[in-house]
Amino acid sequence: QQQVKQSPQSLIVQKGGISIINCAYENTAFDYFPWYQQFPGKGPALLIAIRPDVSEKKEGRFTISFNKSAKQFSLHIMDSQPGDSATYFCAATDLTDSWGKLQFGAGTQVVVTP
Amino acid sequence: DAGVTQSPTHLIKTRGQQVTLRCSPKSGHDTVSWYQQALGQGPQFIFQYYEEEERQRGNFPDRFSGHQFPNYSSELNVNALLLGDSALYLCASSRPRWTDTQYFGPGTRLTVL
Repeated sequence: QQQVKQSPQSLIVQKGGISIINCAYENTAFDYFPWYQQFPGKGPALLIAIRPDVSEKKEGRFTISFNKSAKQFSLHIMDSQPGDSATYFCAATDLTDSWGKLQFGAGTQVVVTP
Repeated sequence: DAGVTQSPTHLIKTRGQQVTLRCSPKSGHDTVSWYQQALGQGPQFIFQYYEEEERQRGNFPDRFSGHQFPNYSSELNVNALLLGDSALYLCASSRPRWTDTQYFGPGTRLTVL
């Protein structure tokens, strides 16, 4: 049973546009929500993360929006660049009981066209 | 500062064989987690090692086993390989008591024929 559902599976955005990826979860014990970026042939790299006590976190062109009541969170990539073309994974974990065992979404392949 | 390193990069095995994958954590990290990433899927948690003991385990059969050494490096062993074990195996490490920030290695691509 997939505990974190991610959509869309893929998206194409023009350079300078906004990429939006959505994730939903069921386990209310989750208290840490990271996003990872993965390039072909590489391991996932932590991009940005949020905890449920805030509704939004911004780092450069990347923003996480978090809706605790709806059990949803999303990644916005502003001013998308060709170098942002990668697969993005949302994840969630319960730091208290699961020692950081990450539950990943299925991934979103983002292609940024010039 | 070297990040998480894994070896080998690629591996080809046949069904029924056994394989050992290796991971060296990032400097200062003492916790190692292993994940399996099938093609086109998100990583799936296999298990986590801390203080040389398995602390958490995901839904993987006993054919998957591991070990952590006193220098915090770790091995993943898979016995009786199945075609379905073909995947990218990722190792992630984290600092003591800070299991939120996990750093991943480049992975080992295992192909079972």
